[in-house]
Amino acid sequence: NAGVTQTPKFQVLKTGQSMTLQCAQDMNHEYMSWYRQDPGMGLRLIHYSVGAGITDQGEVPNGYNVSRSTTEDFPLRLLSAAPSQTSVYFCASRYSSYSNQPQHFGDGTRLSIL
Amino acid sequence: KQEVTQIPAALSVPEGENLVLNCSFTDSAIYNLQWFRQDPGKGLTSLLLIQSSQREQTSGRLNASLDKSSGRSTLYIAASQPGDSATYLCAVPFSGNTPLVFGKGTRLSVIA
Repeated sequence: NAGVTQTPKFQVLKTGQSMTLQCAQDMNHEYMSWYRQDPGMGLRLIHYSVGAGITDQGEVPNGYNVSRSTTEDFPLRLLSAAPSQTSVYFCASRYSSYSNQPQHFGDGTRLSIL
Repeated sequence: KQEVTQIPAALSVPEGENLVLNCSFTDSAIYNLQWFRQDPGKGLTSLLLIQSSQREQTSGRLNASLDKSSGRSTLYIAASQPGDSATYLCAVPFSGNTPLVFGKGTRLSVIA
């Protein structure tokens, strides 16, 4: 059981480039979310999805897009990378809304914007 | 704004000591509370989840308690070991269909 898989693990971009961070889960979880983790700021929610075809913004959505065409996948797109987006990005999933099952996290993508 | 606070930010203890990590939250109507562990450079691993109707949960040397009325949770670690060194985070969904809101964590160092 792979759990939550994030790719790539590391990435360096130049300012203005775009890219997609991939996230896939094999647990048939409805609920998926993206967080960024920065020193002193903790984990902040970027976007989340309660099921295929449904997404919503979190605390820091600017500069990021998401889509949820399947239950398994929840990619995060950086439209035009900026140095302020240098961070560690975590994807997470849980079974559903109103679930008392734990949330699972991927190992993260470490992104540097030059 | 709904917030989760963890104090202290860092803690250093000698091996074998029992210790308590604290978590407080601004809204007592939480759906559940989850404790995570994060090792340096790694993702988050779920340790314990306490449902809003529960008072505590135990897993091995870990015991988490929940007092909704006071907006507090504690994570008790018995007989600490150097392998317990990590950052511990608590998180709550303030309602059943909302994302987790995280505290900034307590960085624990257990000295051999």
